[in-house]
Amino acid sequence: AQSVTQPDIHITVSEGASLELRCNYSYGATPYLFWYVQSPGQGLQLLLKYFSGDTLVQGIKGFEAEFKRSQSSFNLRKPSVHWSDAAEYFCAVDAYSGAGSYQLTFGKGTKLSVIP
Amino acid sequence: EAQVTQNPRYLITVTGKKLTVTCSQNMNHEYMSWYRQDPGLGLRQIYYSMNVEVTDKGDVPEGYKVSRKEKRNFPLILESPSPNQTSLYFCASSFGLAGAETQYFGPGTRLLVL
Repeated sequence: AQSVTQPDIHITVSEGASLELRCNYSYGATPYLFWYVQSPGQGLQLLLKYFSGDTLVQGIKGFEAEFKRSQSSFNLRKPSVHWSDAAEYFCAVDAYSGAGSYQLTFGKGTKLSVIP
Repeated sequence: EAQVTQNPRYLITVTGKKLTVTCSQNMNHEYMSWYRQDPGLGLRQIYYSMNVEVTDKGDVPEGYKVSRKEKRNFPLILESPSPNQTSLYFCASSFGLAGAETQYFGPGTRLLVL
């Protein structure tokens, strides 16, 4: 079965600083990879996804992520963080689970705090 | 506006009192699912449905039931809620089951079972 690890539970950065959130997955083949963001009191919003092609994926709100097969990683980056980026971020893997279906498995999340 | 709606958004109940959380989507999606979110555990799938009258268990189905009688609706039923079902619940939908499909999430239902 697939699994997702987000090693950092909580990260604090200063506004304007760069950001990298780590995500590692475990799956026997190339999975479909997603990053979602959850603002306080809100549902989840898709930031970006990777399913094939260019390993550097651009998303909304200035985020990007790079798929590295050799490291089984899909880290999320942003060159300059804004205070409104404070939220919880979830990495997810969508992998074939048999009987013609896929299952989306989430990491435990990384909470981002932004210092003015 | 394309959206997934859930009701109620907040619910306080007592142990053993049956409750239903409704979920509805207006995007004609075939695939719908329910997740629960708990601190430090991320989101875990409870049940999913690939189409009308087709449902299956996710990772944590114990204590829950679902039904899919119409394409747009996917209610979550707790027949005898217990305190360990206190959680934040999300409904999600997508066009299908292909691995690259984006799931659209509802706003969440915060449930407290006393």
